[in-house]
Amino acid sequence: EAGVTQFPSHSVIEKGQTVTLRCDPISGHDNLYWYRRVMGKEIKFLLHFVKESKQDESGMPNNRFLAERTGGTYSTLKVQPAELEDSGVYFCASSQEPGLGEQYFGPGTRLTVT
Amino acid sequence: DAKTTQPTSMDCAEGRAANLPCNHSTISGNEYVYWYRQIHSQGPQYIIHGLKNNETNEMASLIITEDRKSSTLILPHATLRDTAVYYCIVRVETPGIKAAGNKLTFGGGTRVLVKP
Repeated sequence: EAGVTQFPSHSVIEKGQTVTLRCDPISGHDNLYWYRRVMGKEIKFLLHFVKESKQDESGMPNNRFLAERTGGTYSTLKVQPAELEDSGVYFCASSQEPGLGEQYFGPGTRLTVT
Repeated sequence: DAKTTQPTSMDCAEGRAANLPCNHSTISGNEYVYWYRQIHSQGPQYIIHGLKNNETNEMASLIITEDRKSSTLILPHATLRDTAVYYCIVRVETPGIKAAGNKLTFGGGTRVLVKP
């Protein structure tokens, strides 16, 4: 069984540019989560999809971040325009049940904004 | 979710048991204790979780005190590949889409270095 995959593994962009991160969850997992760790800080929750619906987006930092999950399969996280403080590692996770058991994490996308 | 307290770092000898403590003195009755770890440059990895009974799987054992205010993760025979940051997380666990405990709240964790 394939795990959670994320693309790209690393992205370097200039301040003001746009970047789109992609996450493919484990097949059959309706629940998809985005987290991030910015430099020197703890891993923080961003949002949670159940299929194509946003269940909880309380962790989204501001309106420069837009997450989508059209069709309830893969998800994208767009940052537009990117700022220096957006640099960090963005993780995606998926799970079968929303409030039970483990979440399976992808390897992360390292975003560097210069 | 309840706050957890873990030591910042600890060393362990290869082949020995590693005992990782976690305090969660404000844990509620419906909150589970979860352990994840993050090996360098990888995503967090689930290890084990429990409510009040001790739990064991192929990776580790989880010992929860009777009052549930603290727990210990035990890696029975640590290897060099167990070097990682270990996170103790308490989380409300209720089934259903409207569950309150969907997200994981990570703290600073314990940086474990397994030495040869």
